[in-house]
Amino acid sequence: GQNIDQPTEMTATEGAIVQINCTYQTSGFNGLFWYQQHAGEAPTFLSYNVLDGLEEKGRFSSFLSRSKGYSYLLLKELQMKDSASYLCAAEGGYQKVTFGTGTKLQVIP
Amino acid sequence: NAGVTQTPKFRILKIGQSMTLQCAQDMNHNYMYWYRQDPGMGLKLIYYSVGAGITDKGEVPNGYNVSRSTTEDFPLRLELAAPSQTSVYFCASSKRGSNQPQHFGDGTRLSIL
Repeated sequence: GQNIDQPTEMTATEGAIVQINCTYQTSGFNGLFWYQQHAGEAPTFLSYNVLDGLEEKGRFSSFLSRSKGYSYLLLKELQMKDSASYLCAAEGGYQKVTFGTGTKLQVIP
Repeated sequence: NAGVTQTPKFRILKIGQSMTLQCAQDMNHNYMYWYRQDPGMGLKLIYYSVGAGITDKGEVPNGYNVSRSTTEDFPLRLELAAPSQTSVYFCASSKRGSNQPQHFGDGTRLSIL
């Protein structure tokens, strides 16, 4: 079966660091995606992790632990434009991707 | 490059009506997907296709049909629209192979009244 859990909402201050956690249970797990979705818009790709460890891309980093079924997205130097929903998505067999319900991040001044 | 194009952007239907949501991509992607997203919820897979002539059901296929006659187009058909089908519908495409991100269209906002 497929199951993705992530917090519903988070609030963080501009300039700070925030970590968004995701746990997953996916049969035939291949890798873990993170997408960003601004209100009223389509999701856009942020990162993909297939190996354990941290992948850094500018202000955004993503971590994966396959043995624990756990990932997180780390956002540094938060900006107001980072206010969005962040979707964790696990890729299983046959490239089937299961999305979590998303974490709505509000960045406050 | 247009990417993934969905039409229409908005539509209001009456209960029992039918309609087709159009989706086209110009990236020569093999894989295409249809999702629905209800308010405050994640994306639920309706149908997907791994290539022209091949389609398969996702998590919530009831009340929908698809076809994939060309690589570029992947229309979604709603027959006998019901209020429960009020949602935002996203079409996406990706290349074949693991670690390939999905590229999404702008969505179709559909209301059934």
